[in-house]
Amino acid sequence: EVQLVESGGGLVQRGGSLRLSCVASGFTFSSYSMNWVRQAPGKSLEWISYVSHTGSPVYYADSVKGRFTISRDNVKNSLFLQMNSLTAEDTAVYYCARDSGYCTTSDCYRWHDYWGPGTLVTVSS
Amino acid sequence: DILMTQSPSTLSASVGDRVTITCRASQSISSWLAWYQQKPGKAPKFLIHDASILESGVPSRFSGSGSGTEFTLTISSLQPDDFATYYCQQHKSYPYTFGQGTKLEIK
Repeated sequence: EVQLVESGGGLVQRGGSLRLSCVASGFTFSSYSMNWVRQAPGKSLEWISYVSHTGSPVYYADSVKGRFTISRDNVKNSLFLQMNSLTAEDTAVYYCARDSGYCTTSDCYRWHDYWGPGTLVTVSS
Repeated sequence: DILMTQSPSTLSASVGDRVTITCRASQSISSWLAWYQQKPGKAPKFLIHDASILESGVPSRFSGSGSGTEFTLTISSLQPDDFATYYCQQHKSYPYTFGQGTKLEIK
């Protein structure tokens, strides 16, 4: 059974930092690209970062580019999100999500087939 | 970025009803659209990719259609477990953007 479990959320002051982790089990973690998706209270979902199965390339939403860093440890079956310079707008539940998908000759197309239960990050102002 | 717009924002329906949710993209995304279901306090659940391909295990009362900029998610006969919020997401190009969600409520 595929399982993703996030941790590391909590209350942090504006301008502070936090590191989120996501531990994966039930599948060959090193074969899958992964993502972080967040959801502010009462709002829609926002994709924020992607990392390929090897660790590169990585992509970011403009809202977090330069402040957040995604990484992974394929030996420890773990995904990470280092979050710096946090603001109140970063308050959200953060989900890690596994990718499934396929590639054509020109591009790759992915969707998020498994999600963790999420971890809440609250930034106080 | 590709803007995804869902309608309606809220939909009231009864068990057994047939319902349709619409998702529009600000530019053509061919068929690269996914649908997710989310219940309060829970993570999203993946339902459909490539606009119409059901994930294994998703009940056949769910169906998706569309291409280009207009897409629909249809539930043919609502069951009590289907009352939730539904999100579309384009998976054509990064950033993979979501619609604002459609909350399906019991009438």
